[in-house]
Amino acid sequence: EVQLLESGGGLVQPGGSLRLSCAASGFAFSSYAMTWVRQAPGKGLEWVSGISSSGGIPYYADSVKGRFTISRDNAKNMLYLQMNSLRAEDTAVYYCAKDIGRGMVEILDYWGQGILVTVSA
Amino acid sequence: DIQMTQSPSSLSASVGDRVTISCRASQSISNYLNWYQQKPGKAPKLLIYITSSLQSGVPSRFSGSGSGTDFTLTISSLQPEDFATYYCQQSYSSPPTFGQGTNLEIK
Repeated sequence: EVQLLESGGGLVQPGGSLRLSCAASGFAFSSYAMTWVRQAPGKGLEWVSGISSSGGIPYYADSVKGRFTISRDNAKNMLYLQMNSLRAEDTAVYYCAKDIGRGMVEILDYWGQGILVTVSA
Repeated sequence: DIQMTQSPSSLSASVGDRVTISCRASQSISNYLNWYQQKPGKAPKLLIYITSSLQSGVPSRFSGSGSGTDFTLTISSLQPEDFATYYCQQSYSSPPTFGQGTNLEIK
């Protein structure tokens, strides 16, 4: 059974940092691209960042480029999102999601339960 | 970025109804259109990918169609568990973008 479990969320002040983690199990993690998607309270879905199966060139939404860094450790079956210079508008539930393909196909067939990040003074 | 627009934004229907949700892209996306279902407090779930391919385990009452800029999700006979928010998403070009969602409510 595919499982994705996010951790590392919480309350942080504007300008602060957080590192989200996503522990993957039940599939060959190193064979699939992975993605972070967020959802602000009461709002729709927003793609944040993606990374190929090998951890090659990552991709970012313009809204987080230069502030967020996606990475993965295929030996540990872990996906990460380092979030720096956080802003109030980054407040959201963050989901990690598995891509259907090895490259960035961006068809997301499994999702974690989500983790809340709140940026507030 | 490609803009995705869903209509309607909300919809009231009854169990057993046939329901159609539309999604329009701001430019042609060929057939790279996916549909997700999200229930309150839960993660999205992939229903249909590449316009019309049913994800494993998804009931056959769900179907998708379209091409280019105009796409449709159809639920042939609504069941109680289908009341949720539905999102379309294009995977034609980066960044992938989602529609604003269609909230399907019980009439």
